[in-house]
Amino acid sequence: AQTVTQSQPEMSVQEAETVTLSCTYDTSESDYYLFWYKQPPSRQMILVIRQEAYKQQNATENRFSVNFQKAAKSFSLKISDSQLGDAAMYFCALAKAAGNKLTFGGGTRVLVKP
Amino acid sequence: EAQVTQNPRYLITVTGKKLTVTCSQNMNHEYMSWYRQDPGLGLRQIYYSMNVEVTDKGDVPEGYKVSRKEKRNFPLILESPSPNQTSLYFCASSSHRGRVPDTEAFFGQGTRLTVV
Repeated sequence: AQTVTQSQPEMSVQEAETVTLSCTYDTSESDYYLFWYKQPPSRQMILVIRQEAYKQQNATENRFSVNFQKAAKSFSLKISDSQLGDAAMYFCALAKAAGNKLTFGGGTRVLVKP
Repeated sequence: EAQVTQNPRYLITVTGKKLTVTCSQNMNHEYMSWYRQDPGLGLRQIYYSMNVEVTDKGDVPEGYKVSRKEKRNFPLILESPSPNQTSLYFCASSSHRGRVPDTEAFFGQGTRLTVV
């Protein structure tokens, strides 16, 4: 069975500052993908960033980057230059590389202070 | 526009009154699934379908039914809703062919269900 754990229920960040969200996971698969999803108040699920487990290089999408530590089974998300629009719930998720099911963590709410 | 459409977006019902939440996708995806989202628990898979007439249980199937008579539609049925089924529900679809990101999930807008 796969599990994903997000230990921070809520994080607060000042606008323009940086915040890091942590995520740990467990899987017996050797080939898998990790994701961060953003859920704003509209409830829409928005894919923020994706990391292939076989790639050592950390994924980056504009102001969003990850720190993928495969041996430690850790997958943190860094949001740089935080903006008011970044305020949302963020979910870490895991999927087998050739599968369709997503296993989610419990979520971290990010508050951005102006 | 590629999309997954869920209806209704909000629903308040009473215990025991059968209801159906509809889900439709226009991307010809084989794989469809239902998730429920609860505070602190994230999203958990209820049921999934790998193709027409093929459905199977996810992690939290109790109290739910699904059907897949057509490829585009995957309704979620609560035959006798109870208050512990009060939750936010998401339908998702993806291609079953290949690997991520080809199998990336598309989510519906969510259905907020309250059972009183």
